Amino acid sequence: QQQVKQSPQSLIVQKGGISIINCAYENTAFDYFPWYQQFPGKGPALLIAIRPDVSEKKEGRFTISFNKSAKQFSLHIMDSQPGDSATYFCAATTNTGFQKLVFGTGTRLL
Amino acid sequence: TAGITQAPTSQILAAGRSMTLRCTQDMRHNAMYWYRQDLGLGLRLIHYSNTAGTTGKGEVPDGYSVSRANTDDFPLTLASAVPSQTSVYFCASRGQGWETEAFFGQGTRLTVV
Repeated sequence: QQQVKQSPQSLIVQKGGISIINCAYENTAFDYFPWYQQFPGKGPALLIAIRPDVSEKKEGRFTISFNKSAKQFSLHIMDSQPGDSATYFCAATTNTGFQKLVFGTGTRLL
Repeated sequence: TAGITQAPTSQILAAGRSMTLRCTQDMRHNAMYWYRQDLGLGLRLIHYSNTAGTTGKGEVPDGYSVSRANTDDFPLTLASAVPSQTSVYFCASRGQGWETEAFFGQGTRLTVV
């Protein structure tokens, strides 16, 4: 059972457009939500992350929006560029007990 | 260059054979993870370890075992490989605290025939 649900599975965006990827979770114990970016043939790498006490975090063209009551968070890529073409994973973890890091199913952005 | 190293890069394995995927990190990270990546299923956690001497089961542990004898190494063993274990396997490590970044290896592409 997927602990973090991610959509869409794939996304095509024009250069300069906005890319939006959504994630939802059920486990209220999760308290850290990173996004990872993966290029073909490479391992994932951290892109940006947020804690649930913050509703939005922005780093350059990348913004995470977080809705704690809805248990949803999303990644917005502004002014999308060809170099942003990659697979994006949302993830979640908790600071209690074993620090499992669980991922969504991924979104292939073109 | 500091980081996390996986070996082998790729492998073709006959069904029923055993194999150990190696993972070594030189960042002295406490937490280490093994994931498998399959198209449409994302990264699924197989096993993890919060510190040397302890391990835990992830989402898809069946058919796999791990050990954590020291901080740096976290090998993943397939005792008797089956075709459904064909996948790309990633090892990752994280430092102290749940807000730290996870660093991934370059992956091992395993094909079980």
